[in-house]
Amino acid sequence: GAGVSQSPSNKVTEKGKDVELRCDPISGHTALYWYRQRLGQGLEFLIYFQGNSAPDKSGLPSDRFSAERTGESVSTLTIQRTQQEDSAVYLCASSPRTGAYGYTFGSGTRLTVV
Amino acid sequence: AQSVTQLDSQVPVFEEAPVELRCNYSSSVSVYLFWYVQYPNQGLQLLLKYLSGSTLVESINGFEAEFNKSQTSFHLRKPSVHISDTAEYFCAVSNSGYSTLTFGKGTMLLVSP
Repeated sequence: GAGVSQSPSNKVTEKGKDVELRCDPISGHTALYWYRQRLGQGLEFLIYFQGNSAPDKSGLPSDRFSAERTGESVSTLTIQRTQQEDSAVYLCASSPRTGAYGYTFGSGTRLTVV
Repeated sequence: AQSVTQLDSQVPVFEEAPVELRCNYSSSVSVYLFWYVQYPNQGLQLLLKYLSGSTLVESINGFEAEFNKSQTSFHLRKPSVHISDTAEYFCAVSNSGYSTLTFGKGTMLLVSP
């Protein structure tokens, strides 16, 4: 597609429920990233996929968070047993290659845990 | 490890005034540097980047940033701001050869008439 697409744009869920967030990167972009932006904070790195290599999961805050990506296409970020501190905007980005190219970001999914 | 410091969380200015948004980074290796802008209710957009070569880089809407290796800085400047420049600005760094960007906490630029 023309840009990075994320769905849903907004999600309100009850504490303890599981949620799944979707990211559709730009076609041909081999790298895909998930970041979290909490109110008043910068962007917090969560996970990075590069082609068929093993993902860099070093930013995932707990084992309740997981993400998958099939090949160089769609990625899903799953949060199990959501907590109120998980409330944030979850941003997905893709890039054609590593390092120098910068990212193209999606518009994000605003998650609110009540 | 790398980190980015944006000391100013908010910068209020009047329209047509000059502005400088400060960014300092720490990294033990060569870096790539980026500024992203997030307009209200929109996603992040790449504003400009430094990879190598000339230390002064410019964007299409009048912003510029200068890479200063000795001061480990990449401050963003504009000589005359518009109301439409009101947005949050994020500085980011990545190590050459490694792709993950580390972002600062952002600076909210508030331009008033």
